[in-house]
Amino acid sequence: AQSVTQLDSHVSVSEGTPVLLRCNYSSSYSPSLFWYVQHPNKGLQLLLKYTSAATLVKGINGFEAEFKKSETSFHLTKPSAHMSDAAEYFCVVSDHQAGTALIFGKGTTLSVSS
Amino acid sequence: GAGVSQTPSNKVTEKGKYVELRCDPISGHTALYWYRQSLGQGPEFLIYFQGTGAADDSGLPNDRFFAVRPEGSVSTLKIQRTERGDSAVYLCASSLGGDRGRETQYFGPGTRLLVL
Repeated sequence: AQSVTQLDSHVSVSEGTPVLLRCNYSSSYSPSLFWYVQHPNKGLQLLLKYTSAATLVKGINGFEAEFKKSETSFHLTKPSAHMSDAAEYFCVVSDHQAGTALIFGKGTTLSVSS
Repeated sequence: GAGVSQTPSNKVTEKGKYVELRCDPISGHTALYWYRQSLGQGPEFLIYFQGTGAADDSGLPNDRFFAVRPEGSVSTLKIQRTERGDSAVYLCASSLGGDRGRETQYFGPGTRLLVL
């Protein structure tokens, strides 16, 4: 069985400071991992994904994440936050070998202050 | 190009009524998914179509929920005898259809359902 845990329900940062959103996963086989972002009243948008290639994945808008199998983690980072980064972020796992559905975490709300 | 569209954007109904929610996927995407997102939670999988057939309906909560995709494009999620607990945002997504575990799913803006 798969599951994903987002360790922080809310993260607050100042504009220009680094962002770290933490995610741990559980998967029986070979996981695919995703980060999606949801801005208010807008659809979910893919930031980046890991599907068994390079463990350091670069996404849109300066975000990146590193797949660490030994720690079962897939934390999302960005060197410098922008006001427009304020949104809800979801860490997502699937098992591509078993062809399973996406399992979403509960989300982390990112607030960015000026 | 056009993304995934969903109608209506908002739906208010009374307990016990029947509702239909519509999803128009991206043209050419053979895979289509329905999710439900309750307040403060991440989306939860409901059903997955590959073409016209439901390849996985394991997420449907009970037999009041049903979905169709008769021509392999537009899909309709149908909820009978609605209950207050059905209130949520219903999200639709589509993907190219080669590998649902790896490929990017493109989400619509959702239908916000409120059952009074």
